[in-house]
Amino acid sequence: SAVISQKPSRDICQRGTSLTIQCQVDSQVTMMFWYRQQPGQSLTLIATANQGSEATYESGFVIDKFPISRPNLTFSTLTVSNMSPEDSSIYLCSVEKGADTGELFFGEGSRLTVL
Amino acid sequence: GENVEQHPSTLSVQEGDSAVIKCTYSDSASNYFPWYKQELGKRPQLIIDIRSNVGEKKDQRIAVTLNKTAKHFSLHITETQPEDSAVYFCAASPHYGQNFVFGPGTRLSVLP
Repeated sequence: SAVISQKPSRDICQRGTSLTIQCQVDSQVTMMFWYRQQPGQSLTLIATANQGSEATYESGFVIDKFPISRPNLTFSTLTVSNMSPEDSSIYLCSVEKGADTGELFFGEGSRLTVL
Repeated sequence: GENVEQHPSTLSVQEGDSAVIKCTYSDSASNYFPWYKQELGKRPQLIIDIRSNVGEKKDQRIAVTLNKTAKHFSLHITETQPEDSAVYFCAASPHYGQNFVFGPGTRLSVLP
């Protein structure tokens, strides 16, 4: 099964700054998914990252605020730009655990606190 | 788009009792329904899932039922144990592994 490494695990950021979260998978995957989990809330899909093409963003999320890179089949980054306290959340990278299993496997998450 | 509702938001049961969590979905195209368990400070992890061509699935103390006509599915945990205490999320997806919409979650507390 996939192993996902996510960095940083947590960070405290100042308002107006940007932070890039890295996600490394130990096997090649077609799609990588970025989720946000606000404090005490459910998981919301931000975007789907495909290698070699622009990420597909869900309603309410835009590329200028959450630019995503996907340079190869094992790596992706999510940047949270111009942060405000409302961006304080856990950001989770995920992949499908095995071909056509349907199961999403999540990284440990990156807990961001914006002051 | 898909909308998933989940009830109850919190649930307390005595150890050994059963727990039932119910979800409804809106998009008839959804065909995959997983349940995730998230312990405090941990990542969500799949505990059981069901596909639209099946009405019920069981794995030891955990079972899931699906009623496609009514667009609802339920998680059943029998003989609950303190380690079952966690937040449980249901989800619906029109395609395996993609475009998941999660329910708001149920915080289950199993009291010793």
